[in-house]
Amino acid sequence: KNQVEQSPQSLIILEGKNCTLQCNYTVSPFSNLRWYKQDTGRGPVSLTIMTFSENTKSNGRYTATLDADTKQSSLHITASQLSDSASYICVVKASGGSYIPTFGRGTSLIVHP
Amino acid sequence: DVKVTQSSRYLVKRTGEKVFLECVQDMDHENMFWYRQDPGLGLRLIYFSYDVKMKEKGDIPEGYSVSREKKERFSLILESASTNQTSMYLCASSPTSGRGQPQHFGDGTRLSIL
Repeated sequence: KNQVEQSPQSLIILEGKNCTLQCNYTVSPFSNLRWYKQDTGRGPVSLTIMTFSENTKSNGRYTATLDADTKQSSLHITASQLSDSASYICVVKASGGSYIPTFGRGTSLIVHP
Repeated sequence: DVKVTQSSRYLVKRTGEKVFLECVQDMDHENMFWYRQDPGLGLRLIYFSYDVKMKEKGDIPEGYSVSREKKERFSLILESASTNQTSMYLCASSPTSGRGQPQHFGDGTRLSIL
């Protein structure tokens, strides 16, 4: 069964610090992996997408990595800001005919001043 | 910019009522989805539709039905609401073309069943 596991479940850091969120998956055959950010009371919004051939991709202070061999991804946040407080969801899509991605349960990040 | 609009942000209903949640998207997307989101469980797929009048069950369809009479609108129906259906409901849409396209989400309906 396709699964996506995220760690940690929750994380509290001080403003200005860096942090890294982890995502392990068993989805096969792999098509792409996407990180979403969900602010409180809002729907998830895509941050970045990783395909099989990509190892690293940056979007401002967010950097995603992908190791397709070990089926692991990470999302690194640099110089955190209060606005980074949100839930971060890892979503993996299999190749083939399915439109349905597999969602992780998310990591809840709180950034304190 | 893609916009997915859910008709209500907050809704309070009583046990046994028939409840309708509405979702409209403005980008001509073929695929539409209904999820529920509960603390510690993440997003779970209830139903999805890949075309008008087409529907497929997701992981947790029991107690729910859907309707897609027009391409832009996807409705979730709770036939007889129960307290265990209290949750956040999220609607999403995506195009069929380009498997790398993201799902676009509405801001959710927080439903309470009393």
